[in-house]
Amino acid sequence: AQSVTQLDSQVPVFEEAPVELRCNYSSSVSVYLFWYVQYPNQGLQLLLKYLSGSTLVKGINGFEAEFNKSQTSFHLRKPSVHISDTAEYFCAVSRTGGSYIPTFGRGTSLIVHP
Amino acid sequence: NAGVTQTPKFRVLKTGQSMTLLCAQDMNHEYMYWYRQDPGMGLRLIHYSVGEGTTAKGEVPDGYNVSRLKKQNFLLGLESAAPSQTSVYFCASSPGGFGYREVGELFFGEGSRLTVL
Repeated sequence: AQSVTQLDSQVPVFEEAPVELRCNYSSSVSVYLFWYVQYPNQGLQLLLKYLSGSTLVKGINGFEAEFNKSQTSFHLRKPSVHISDTAEYFCAVSRTGGSYIPTFGRGTSLIVHP
Repeated sequence: NAGVTQTPKFRVLKTGQSMTLLCAQDMNHEYMYWYRQDPGMGLRLIHYSVGEGTTAKGEVPDGYNVSRLKKQNFLLGLESAAPSQTSVYFCASSPGGFGYREVGELFFGEGSRLTVL
């Protein structure tokens, strides 16, 4: 079985500052990794995903994440945040074989202050 | 494009009442899921389905039942609601299977907020 740990439940940051949201996973087999974003009162939508290839993955809205197999991490970064980035962010992992059922982390609330 | 549609969006129940949440997707996806979201707990998988006529238990299945009689619909039932089932419920779907570019990517509905008094 796989598991996901999002190390910060809440990350406050000022507008235009850089941000990193941390995600670590545990799995005995190869995995796919995902970041989802949930804006207030909405469902989740995919930000980016790592399936294979380059370990640096670029997503929507200027976000990127780097897969680090040795540290079993998939941290999400943005060099300059906007007020509109205020949302809940979820890291998820699924096995590369089988049924691909993903496991989600508990989420990190990004709060961008003016 | 409708994507994943959940009905109803809001519901208040009394303890012991029953209800059904309906999820419909128009993307011809094989896999469908029901999650519940509670503060500080993230998303927890209740039940899922890997194809029409199939269902399987997730992480927190107790107190819920599901059915997938048609590929596009996935129903979540509460036979006897309890206050502990107060939550926001999300349905999702995904293409599933080997070889899809969207492997593992879930498409979510907007959620159904359920309150059990």
